[in-house]
Amino acid sequence: KNEVEQSPQNLTAQEGEFITINCSYSVGISALHWLQQHPGGGIVSLFMLSSGKKKHGRLIATINIQEKHSSLHITASHPRDSAVYICAVREGGNQFYFGTGTSLTVIP
Amino acid sequence: ETGVTQTPRHLVMGMTNKKSLKCEQHLGHNAMYWYKQSAKKPLELMFVYNFKEQTENNSVPSRFSPECPNSSHLFLHLHTLQPEDSALYLCASSSMVGSGELFFGEGSRLTVL
Repeated sequence: KNEVEQSPQNLTAQEGEFITINCSYSVGISALHWLQQHPGGGIVSLFMLSSGKKKHGRLIATINIQEKHSSLHITASHPRDSAVYICAVREGGNQFYFGTGTSLTVIP
Repeated sequence: ETGVTQTPRHLVMGMTNKKSLKCEQHLGHNAMYWYKQSAKKPLELMFVYNFKEQTENNSVPSRFSPECPNSSHLFLHLHTLQPEDSALYLCASSSMVGSGELFFGEGSRLTVL
């Protein structure tokens, strides 16, 4: 069993829809990361959080440490949001665990 | 510009070839990583270097040989690879601090014929 589980694995949405991607983890962490990977391959860090909530533009990330759960929300989704979103946790030191990713397609 | 640069972006090699992947970061980070990404699988950690010293070797076959000459450069030397080694190889760096952010390169897409 993977230390990080994401759902859903695949998601298709109409432009403008509100999107939620969930992440659950089973280890103690120092931080949780939400990453975005476009078809070209490169991975960009969207958020790093260890408590509460962070917002950047149309993206919102929340974390509940007690429940070991995080969500990534996208408001007013746009086709350019189409990408793979990866949840990763840092256990401590240099140990990171990654989810398998959620493939999001936003249709115009 | 992510701060982490990988070359080449694409590489096709035969099973008897020797090639190298290069990673460079100018973020002042002291930890550098090689990850392998295969379809539908989580990123797999291959190697970690802290201050140029290898601290993790995640049971990686010896046909993959890392080299870290300084804290800004990381190489992955490839020799007699197998077709199942075809994947996206990602380099990343981070600070040593426990909650430091992870920065990735664009990846090197490797195809082994």
